[in-house]
Amino acid sequence: DAGITQSPRHKVTETGTPVTLRCHQTENHRYMYWYRQDPGHGLRLIHYSYGVKDTDKGEVSDGYSVSRSKTEDFLLTLESATSSQTSVYFCAIGQGTGELFFGEGSRLTVL
Amino acid sequence: QQQVKQSPQSLIVQKGGISIINCAYENTAFDYFPWYQQFPGKGPALLIAIRPDVSEKKEGRFTISFNKSAKQFSLHIMDSQPGDSATYFCAATTGTASKLTFGTGTRLQVTL
Repeated sequence: DAGITQSPRHKVTETGTPVTLRCHQTENHRYMYWYRQDPGHGLRLIHYSYGVKDTDKGEVSDGYSVSRSKTEDFLLTLESATSSQTSVYFCAIGQGTGELFFGEGSRLTVL
Repeated sequence: QQQVKQSPQSLIVQKGGISIINCAYENTAFDYFPWYQQFPGKGPALLIAIRPDVSEKKEGRFTISFNKSAKQFSLHIMDSQPGDSATYFCAATTGTASKLTFGTGTRLQVTL
């Protein structure tokens, strides 16, 4: 398995609170991604990174920000969580070949 | 808008049967079409992928059929097994950033 660790794996929070999800890789892959998975929507790209401090928006980026200060770490931040952000969040890594390796997911519940 | 449409939403197949999942795309710039398999509680994992210069790719019991003119591709699972029970996602991408656009998923159940 690709060396990808997501933390926390489960989190319950209240509306309006900030939340940060962390993705850590040991594969030295250039690209890192955050997806959210919701029933009926498949996986949708939130943000991605193509290098340290280089990030760009995906199709559902509103309400989310990201940071990548080191090759191995990619953080996803919800500045003020809303119930619509209740989801399972997946981090993925890749080398630009088309193949992505996914972490095991972080389940976030916003009450 | 949904750029990759996947059907059916769910599928029940008997052991030994053929499972077929279909996807259609809109963006003609897509040049890489992978299928991912996901088991409950796990992240998706690449199963098989195809590029548009070939019409078919086979790996073991899994085959992708690709129709460029129709902008459609499908996954065929031959001799389906209970261990194949999972959710399958088609996807498409273009460019080196590999920003995958996923279909909505098909939950496959293979019965004994």
